[in-house]
Parts: sequence; C-alpha cells; structure tokens
Amino acid sequence: SSELTQDPAVSVALGQTVRITCQGDDLRNYYANWYQKKPGQAPVGVIYHKDNRPSGIPDRFSGSRSGDTASLTIVGAQAEDEADYYCGLRDSSGNHWVFGGGTRLTVL
Amino acid sequence: QVQVVESGGGVVKPGRSLRLSCAASGFTFSAYGMHWLRQAPDKGLEWVAIIYFDGNTKYYADSVKGRFTISRDNSKNTVYLQMDNLRVDDTAIYYCARAMGSDAFDGWGQGTMVTVSS
Repeated sequence: SSELTQDPAVSVALGQTVRITCQGDDLRNYYANWYQKKPGQAPVGVIYHKDNRPSGIPDRFSGSRSGDTASLTIVGAQAEDEADYYCGLRDSSGNHWVFGGGTRLTVL
Repeated sequence: QVQVVESGGGVVKPGRSLRLSCAASGFTFSAYGMHWLRQAPDKGLEWVAIIYFDGNTKYYADSVKGRFTISRDNSKNTVYLQMDNLRVDDTAIYYCARAMGSDAFDGWGQGTMVTVSS
C-alpha cells in the first residue's frame, strides 16, 4: 500500500509560521487530510481535502500540495497548536487508508 | 453534534479474543461508513478497518486481516470490532471514527485501551 513520509519533529517560535510536510507518490493524485493529536485527547481533523477547515479550526491552519508533497501551514503558531500532526489519505487501491508517521510540533 | 463512545477494551493474553463496541449519536448513523483506527504506545496512528453504511462492504488493514472482523447494527447505532487471535503488537488505543467523504475521518471517540500481554 501507499507510504507517506513526515519529518518526526518540527519546532516554531510562538507567533511565527511553520510548515509541516508529507511526501508520497499517491499525493500526486490525491489530497492529504491532516489530523491533530494531543496527548490524552481524540484526534481532530484540521484540514480536509486539500484546504478545507472544519468548523472550529482557526484560519491560521491551511493546506496545500505541490507534486508529491502536501503541506500543512500554521501562520502565527500558538501554544495550543503544540501537538502531533498526521497526514492521511485513502490510497490508490481504494481499500486502504494510510497515515504518515506523524510530526511532533513544538511551539517555543 | 457527532459523538461516538468506544468500549470493551481491557487486558487479554495473546491468542485470546476481545470485542469492541462504538456507540454513535448526533447523526444519521445508517447513512455513514464507520472506521476503526488505533494508536500503539509511542507510535503513530494506524487505520484498522472500515464498514460501509449498509454493512455490505468492509476493508481491513493487512496487519489485522483474517483476525479482526468489523460489523454494525444500524438499529442500535453501534459498530463493533471483533478481535481474535490477538497479538502483543495489537496493544493500542482503539478509536472509532465516522467516515467523512470517501477518504477522511471525523467525529473520533476518546478511544478504548487494549493491552495484549502474557
């Protein structure tokens, strides 16, 4: 099945902009969805289908794609954005869903 | 609002079975596919299985195929995960989530912990 690759860890200064990337061949044809996971909490979708934010997700979160790489950008990162972020998609077989390994975001 | 509550987790020995339940509310359950996903300790998220809205189509991750069975009861707004021949590496928090479109998840529950240990 498909593989998605993420950097294990990224840090950003409070109020600055950070980009979290996800690389994989299937991203050339399918958009990534992005999920936020905080310790002890359920995962939450932050970006769906390229660049759609669910209600309640701040507009500092956005998504994009270029070639085989999808990106989640946070403009003006806040302390509460510190979390693990996972990209995910339904792979080209159509019967498997896959995640990247996750990126731990630290807000300094 | 969308709410799902998982239950049924616990500690079991390798080779034994366990059945998880996920009770849903706040949406028309019978119109949505439902997923099970998991997160092992200090590991990332892993998709486990999906059952379509009518229960007629099911898909499984390679790691659980042949051992786990997903099912649903639309009269009870509940989806199940029967886990047989459990292995130590099945130890994880198991989450239930609603299918969002054809490729995403929303309405995740808080999860239920499954520990497989001798």
